[in-house]
Amino acid sequence: GDSVTQMEGPVTLSEEAFLTINCTYTATGYPSLFWYVQYPGEGLQLLLKATKADDKGSNKGFEATYRKETTSFHLEKGSVQVSDSAVYFCALSPSGGSNYKLTFGKGTLLTVNP
Amino acid sequence: GAVVSQHPSWVICKSGTSVKIECRSLDFQATTMFWYRQFPKQSLMLMATSNEGSKATYEQGVEKDKFLINHASLTLSTLTVTSAHPEDSSFYICSARVRIVTSTDTQYFGPGTRLTVL
Repeated sequence: GDSVTQMEGPVTLSEEAFLTINCTYTATGYPSLFWYVQYPGEGLQLLLKATKADDKGSNKGFEATYRKETTSFHLEKGSVQVSDSAVYFCALSPSGGSNYKLTFGKGTLLTVNP
Repeated sequence: GAVVSQHPSWVICKSGTSVKIECRSLDFQATTMFWYRQFPKQSLMLMATSNEGSKATYEQGVEKDKFLINHASLTLSTLTVTSAHPEDSSFYICSARVRIVTSTDTQYFGPGTRLTVL
Protein backbone atom coordinates (compact mmCIF):
# COMPACT_ATOMS: atom_id res chain seq x y z
CA GLY A 1 0.00 0.00 0.00
CA ASP A 2 0.87 3.66 -0.12
CA SER A 3 3.19 5.03 2.52
CA VAL A 4 5.00 8.22 3.46
CA THR A 5 8.26 8.40 5.38
CA GLN A 6 9.53 11.67 6.77
CA MET A 7 12.49 12.48 8.91
CA GLU A 8 11.91 12.09 12.58
CA GLY A 9 12.15 15.07 14.79
CA PRO A 10 12.22 17.01 16.77
CA VAL A 11 14.13 19.59 14.77
CA THR A 12 15.41 22.62 16.64
CA LEU A 13 16.82 25.59 14.77
CA SER A 14 17.79 29.15 15.45
CA GLU A 15 15.92 31.95 13.75
CA GLU A 16 17.09 32.59 10.15
CA ALA A 17 18.57 29.11 9.82
CA PHE A 18 17.98 26.94 6.74
CA LEU A 19 15.36 24.22 7.07
CA THR A 20 15.09 20.88 5.32
CA ILE A 21 12.59 18.21 6.26
CA ASN A 22 12.98 15.08 4.19
CA CYS A 23 10.00 13.17 2.84
CA THR A 24 9.91 10.08 0.63
CA TYR A 25 6.92 8.12 -0.51
CA THR A 26 5.85 4.78 -1.90
CA ALA A 27 2.87 4.73 -4.22
CA THR A 28 1.76 3.47 -7.59
CA GLY A 29 1.36 5.86 -10.46
CA TYR A 30 1.60 9.58 -9.93
CA PRO A 31 0.15 10.61 -6.59
CA SER A 32 -0.43 14.18 -5.54
CA LEU A 33 1.93 15.30 -2.78
CA PHE A 34 1.27 17.69 0.08
CA TRP A 35 2.82 19.36 3.07
CA TYR A 36 0.50 20.21 5.93
CA VAL A 37 1.35 22.27 9.00
CA GLN A 38 -0.23 21.99 12.43
CA TYR A 39 0.34 24.93 14.74
CA PRO A 40 -0.09 24.37 18.47
CA GLY A 41 -3.75 23.97 19.36
CA GLU A 42 -4.93 24.24 15.76
CA GLY A 43 -6.03 21.91 12.97
CA LEU A 44 -3.92 20.92 10.00
CA GLN A 45 -3.52 23.53 7.31
CA LEU A 46 -2.40 22.89 3.78
CA LEU A 47 1.02 24.49 3.32
CA LEU A 48 1.79 23.55 -0.27
CA LYS A 49 1.17 20.86 -2.84
CA ALA A 50 2.37 19.43 -6.14
CA THR A 51 0.38 17.24 -8.47
CA LYS A 52 2.89 16.04 -11.04
CA ALA A 53 6.57 15.27 -11.41
CA ASP A 54 8.95 18.25 -11.30
CA ASP A 55 6.23 20.56 -9.99
CA LYS A 56 7.36 22.89 -7.24
CA GLY A 57 4.92 23.85 -4.55
CA SER A 58 5.61 27.03 -2.61
CA ASN A 59 3.98 29.11 0.08
CA LYS A 60 5.11 31.45 2.87
CA GLY A 61 8.75 30.97 1.88
CA PHE A 62 8.51 27.18 2.00
CA GLU A 63 9.21 25.10 -1.11
CA ALA A 64 9.07 21.46 -2.11
CA THR A 65 9.73 19.84 -5.47
CA TYR A 66 8.04 16.64 -6.63
CA ARG A 67 10.88 14.30 -7.60
CA LYS A 68 9.58 11.19 -9.28
CA GLU A 69 13.01 9.67 -9.80
CA THR A 70 13.81 9.73 -6.10
CA THR A 71 10.17 9.52 -4.92
CA SER A 72 10.79 12.52 -2.70
CA PHE A 73 9.12 15.77 -1.72
CA HIS A 74 11.52 17.47 0.67
CA LEU A 75 10.38 20.65 2.41
CA GLU A 76 12.79 23.60 2.50
CA LYS A 77 12.87 27.14 3.77
CA GLY A 78 15.81 29.46 3.48
CA SER A 79 15.30 31.41 6.68
CA VAL A 80 12.97 30.15 9.39
CA GLN A 81 11.16 32.32 11.90
CA VAL A 82 9.95 31.63 15.42
CA SER A 83 6.41 31.64 14.05
CA ASP A 84 7.27 28.62 11.90
CA SER A 85 7.40 26.45 15.00
CA ALA A 86 4.84 23.71 14.36
CA VAL A 87 4.43 20.09 13.33
CA TYR A 88 4.87 19.45 9.61
CA PHE A 89 3.23 16.50 7.88
CA CYS A 90 4.06 15.15 4.44
CA ALA A 91 1.15 13.42 2.73
CA LEU A 92 0.06 11.88 -0.54
CA SER A 93 -3.19 11.25 -2.33
CA PRO A 94 -3.48 8.47 -4.90
CA SER A 95 -3.51 9.31 -8.55
CA GLY A 96 -6.60 9.16 -10.67
CA GLY A 97 -10.08 7.94 -9.89
CA SER A 98 -12.25 9.37 -7.18
CA ASN A 99 -10.13 8.27 -4.25
CA TYR A 100 -8.92 11.32 -2.40
CA LYS A 101 -7.81 9.62 0.77
CA LEU A 102 -4.66 11.08 2.25
CA THR A 103 -1.81 9.02 3.62
CA PHE A 104 0.31 10.94 6.12
CA GLY A 105 3.82 10.68 7.41
CA LYS A 106 4.38 10.70 11.16
CA GLY A 107 5.02 14.40 11.34
CA THR A 108 8.11 16.40 12.25
CA LEU A 109 8.09 18.82 15.14
CA LEU A 110 10.00 22.00 14.35
CA THR A 111 11.02 24.40 17.07
CA VAL A 112 12.62 27.69 16.10
CA ASN A 113 14.39 29.61 18.83
CA PRO A 114 14.96 33.38 18.73
CA GLY B 1 -10.36 30.02 3.06
CA ALA B 2 -12.75 27.18 3.78
CA VAL B 3 -13.51 26.59 7.46
CA VAL B 4 -14.28 23.33 9.17
CA SER B 5 -15.35 23.28 12.78
CA GLN B 6 -15.53 20.48 15.32
CA HIS B 7 -17.52 20.26 18.50
CA PRO B 8 -16.63 19.70 21.20
CA SER B 9 -12.96 20.61 21.18
CA TRP B 10 -12.37 18.33 24.13
CA VAL B 11 -14.43 15.87 26.13
CA ILE B 12 -13.89 13.68 29.14
CA CYS B 13 -16.23 10.77 29.71
CA LYS B 14 -16.57 7.67 31.85
CA SER B 15 -15.83 4.24 30.48
CA GLY B 16 -18.92 2.65 28.93
CA THR B 17 -20.57 5.87 27.83
CA SER B 18 -20.99 7.11 24.26
CA VAL B 19 -19.62 10.34 22.90
CA LYS B 20 -20.71 12.23 19.78
CA ILE B 21 -18.35 14.51 17.88
CA GLU B 22 -19.66 16.91 15.24
CA CYS B 23 -17.85 18.11 12.15
CA ARG B 24 -19.26 21.02 10.17
CA SER B 25 -18.17 22.75 7.00
CA LEU B 26 -19.08 26.36 7.67
CA ASP B 27 -18.87 28.05 4.29
CA PHE B 28 -18.99 25.28 1.72
CA GLN B 29 -20.77 22.06 0.93
CA ALA B 30 -18.82 18.90 1.46
CA THR B 31 -19.82 15.77 -0.38
CA THR B 32 -17.08 13.85 1.37
CA MET B 33 -15.81 14.06 4.91
CA PHE B 34 -13.02 12.05 6.44
CA TRP B 35 -12.42 11.02 10.02
CA TYR B 36 -8.90 10.57 11.34
CA ARG B 37 -7.41 9.51 14.61
CA GLN B 38 -4.12 10.87 15.84
CA PHE B 39 -2.08 9.30 18.61
CA PRO B 40 0.58 11.32 20.46
CA LYS B 41 3.62 11.84 18.28
CA GLN B 42 2.08 9.70 15.58
CA SER B 43 0.59 10.32 12.18
CA LEU B 44 -3.04 10.79 11.39
CA MET B 45 -4.68 7.47 10.66
CA LEU B 46 -7.71 7.50 8.41
CA MET B 47 -10.64 5.81 10.11
CA ALA B 48 -13.42 6.22 7.59
CA THR B 49 -14.69 8.10 4.58
CA SER B 50 -18.15 9.58 4.87
CA ASN B 51 -20.27 10.50 1.86
CA GLU B 52 -23.44 12.51 2.23
CA GLY B 53 -26.53 10.34 2.23
CA SER B 54 -24.73 7.02 2.17
CA LYS B 55 -23.02 4.65 4.56
CA ALA B 56 -19.47 5.40 5.60
CA THR B 57 -16.58 3.36 4.28
CA TYR B 58 -14.34 2.16 7.09
CA GLU B 59 -10.64 1.44 6.87
CA GLN B 60 -9.38 -2.00 7.67
CA GLY B 61 -9.22 -2.64 11.38
CA VAL B 62 -11.72 0.08 12.32
CA GLU B 63 -14.84 -1.26 14.03
CA LYS B 64 -17.88 0.25 12.37
CA ASP B 65 -20.12 -0.68 15.28
CA LYS B 66 -17.74 1.05 17.65
CA PHE B 67 -17.31 4.22 15.64
CA LEU B 68 -20.66 5.22 14.17
CA ILE B 69 -20.52 7.82 11.43
CA ASN B 70 -23.47 9.75 10.09
CA HIS B 71 -23.31 12.25 7.23
CA ALA B 72 -26.85 13.52 7.11
CA SER B 73 -26.25 16.74 5.23
CA LEU B 74 -23.68 18.42 3.02
CA THR B 75 -22.36 20.41 5.95
CA LEU B 76 -22.48 18.00 8.88
CA SER B 77 -20.93 14.66 9.75
CA THR B 78 -20.93 13.08 13.18
CA LEU B 79 -18.71 10.46 14.78
CA THR B 80 -20.12 8.59 17.76
CA VAL B 81 -17.74 6.56 19.87
CA THR B 82 -19.96 3.93 21.46
CA SER B 83 -19.24 2.30 24.80
CA ALA B 84 -16.00 4.20 25.05
CA HIS B 85 -13.00 2.68 26.83
CA PRO B 86 -9.70 4.20 27.91
CA GLU B 87 -7.97 2.86 24.78
CA ASP B 88 -10.32 5.03 22.71
CA SER B 89 -8.73 8.11 24.21
CA SER B 90 -7.20 10.00 21.33
CA PHE B 91 -7.34 13.10 19.16
CA TYR B 92 -10.06 12.81 16.52
CA ILE B 93 -9.85 15.01 13.45
CA CYS B 94 -12.28 15.47 10.60
CA SER B 95 -11.71 16.92 7.18
CA ALA B 96 -14.03 17.96 4.40
CA ARG B 97 -13.63 17.94 0.67
CA VAL B 98 -15.26 20.68 -1.33
CA ARG B 99 -18.03 19.93 -3.79
CA ILE B 100 -15.99 20.89 -6.81
CA VAL B 101 -14.54 18.41 -9.22
CA THR B 102 -10.92 19.35 -9.74
CA SER B 103 -7.76 17.63 -10.73
CA THR B 104 -6.24 18.24 -7.33
CA ASP B 105 -7.10 16.88 -3.95
CA THR B 106 -7.77 19.48 -1.29
CA GLN B 107 -9.15 18.73 2.11
CA TYR B 108 -9.89 21.24 4.84
CA PHE B 109 -9.29 20.06 8.36
CA GLY B 110 -11.10 20.73 11.57
CA PRO B 111 -9.18 21.69 14.71
CA GLY B 112 -9.71 18.27 16.27
CA THR B 113 -11.43 16.87 19.34
CA ARG B 114 -9.49 15.54 22.31
CA LEU B 115 -11.31 12.56 23.85
CA THR B 116 -10.28 11.27 27.24
CA VAL B 117 -12.03 8.19 28.60
CA LEU B 118 -11.62 7.59 32.30
